[in-house]
Amino acid sequence: GNSVTQMEGPVTLSEEAFLTINCTYTATGYPSLFWYVQYPGEGLQLLLKATKADDKGSNKGFEATYRKETTSFHLEKGSVQVSDSAVYFCALSKTGANNLFFGTGTRLTVIP
Amino acid sequence: GAGVSQSPRYKVAKRGQDVALRCDPISGHVSLFWYQQALGQGPEFLTYFQNEAQLDKSGLPSDRFFAERPEGSVSTLKIQRTQQEDSAVYLCASSSGTSGSKETQYFGPGTRLLVL
Repeated sequence: GNSVTQMEGPVTLSEEAFLTINCTYTATGYPSLFWYVQYPGEGLQLLLKATKADDKGSNKGFEATYRKETTSFHLEKGSVQVSDSAVYFCALSKTGANNLFFGTGTRLTVIP
Repeated sequence: GAGVSQSPRYKVAKRGQDVALRCDPISGHVSLFWYQQALGQGPEFLTYFQNEAQLDKSGLPSDRFFAERPEGSVSTLKIQRTQQEDSAVYLCASSSGTSGSKETQYFGPGTRLLVL
């Protein structure tokens, strides 16, 4: 079946620290991979995506590379800010399907 | 333009009551999705519409759950005879096309349902 496994949180970092949130997936075929973010009091919004192997998605200083050989899509940011505090969800969409499969989410708190 | 809106934002129901949750997708968006998010979990797919056609309802947990989108825009998720395990945040999302896996889904703020 299709599933996404995310690094368990919560994660607490100091401002300007390096961030990695691990995500691995199980899927048949060639899924598209996504990171969604949920800021406090707001709805889910797309952070970045990659639709084929070796693609790198990037946005707002965040990056993730679609690694088919390791079935991973780890989220990274070189220098986090307090405003990055949120819950981050890794998700996949299976080829030919429409719905997203989400991980359980990782809560990030950045302290000044 | 406006994003996806949902109403009500919060709903408290007594066990056994029926509830109706509304979703207004982004104007012109063909695809509409419903997800259920339990506390501390990621969203789980419930059902998918393409215009007014419900093409996938494989995620609906029981026959107490029913969704419709009669005119291909606004959608309603109805839960009959609510149970405590139905307590969750119900998310609606829409996307502009029908090409599926590569498209961006835009999410609403959700309706938080609490069944007492």
